[in-house]
Amino acid sequence: DIQMTQSPSSLSASVGDRVTITCRASQGISNYLAWYQQKPGKVPKLLIYAASTLQSGVPSRFSGSGSGTDFTLTISSLQPEDVATYYCQKYNSAPQITFGQGTRLEIK
Amino acid sequence: QVQLVQSGAEVKKPGSSVKVSCKASGGTFSSYAISWVRQAPGQGLEWMGGIIPIFSTANYAQKFQGRVTITADESTSTAYMELSSLRSEDTAIYYCARDRKVGTVGLFDYWGQGTLVTVSS
Repeated sequence: DIQMTQSPSSLSASVGDRVTITCRASQGISNYLAWYQQKPGKVPKLLIYAASTLQSGVPSRFSGSGSGTDFTLTISSLQPEDVATYYCQKYNSAPQITFGQGTRLEIK
Repeated sequence: QVQLVQSGAEVKKPGSSVKVSCKASGGTFSSYAISWVRQAPGQGLEWMGGIIPIFSTANYAQKFQGRVTITADESTSTAYMELSSLRSEDTAIYYCARDRKVGTVGLFDYWGQGTLVTVSS
């Protein structure tokens, strides 16, 4: 099975900082990589799919990159409302649809 | 606007089964894959399996094979997830989620509100 590993597992940053979260697949997954945001007590929300395509309505400060095994989610200027846990996920490979373990983002 | 509305919270005894429903509205039900994702308290997201209603064939994560059954009723636009042989580790919020477009599997842009299943003696 392909494993998805995120780093770091948690981070704290200041408002306005550039934040980067990485996700590594144990095998190549082309660009079938999505990022979700889950705010405390809320349902997950799709942010990015196909590694770098922004879902409609998502602020442009979010961006994604990568292909194959290494992927990155970047927030260009951290805002207070970005406090959440972020998950990467590989898709389009049922029954092996796998989430990373999550990265908890807090404001310093 | 697509909406997924799930059934209410459940409390179950170890060894029993639970069946959670997910009723879709506002879009075409049959052609889009519906999956079930669970989240144990304080833990991450875990895909359990999914179904494309028009094909009626479900795919399951290996971890849940033999213990989970996912079905869909096109006449009522409702998907179901039944989990059997419950144990305390199955205590979690169970979400249904719909794929973003026809032809993808596992790319979720609509989510149900979640159903808390508590397994306790």
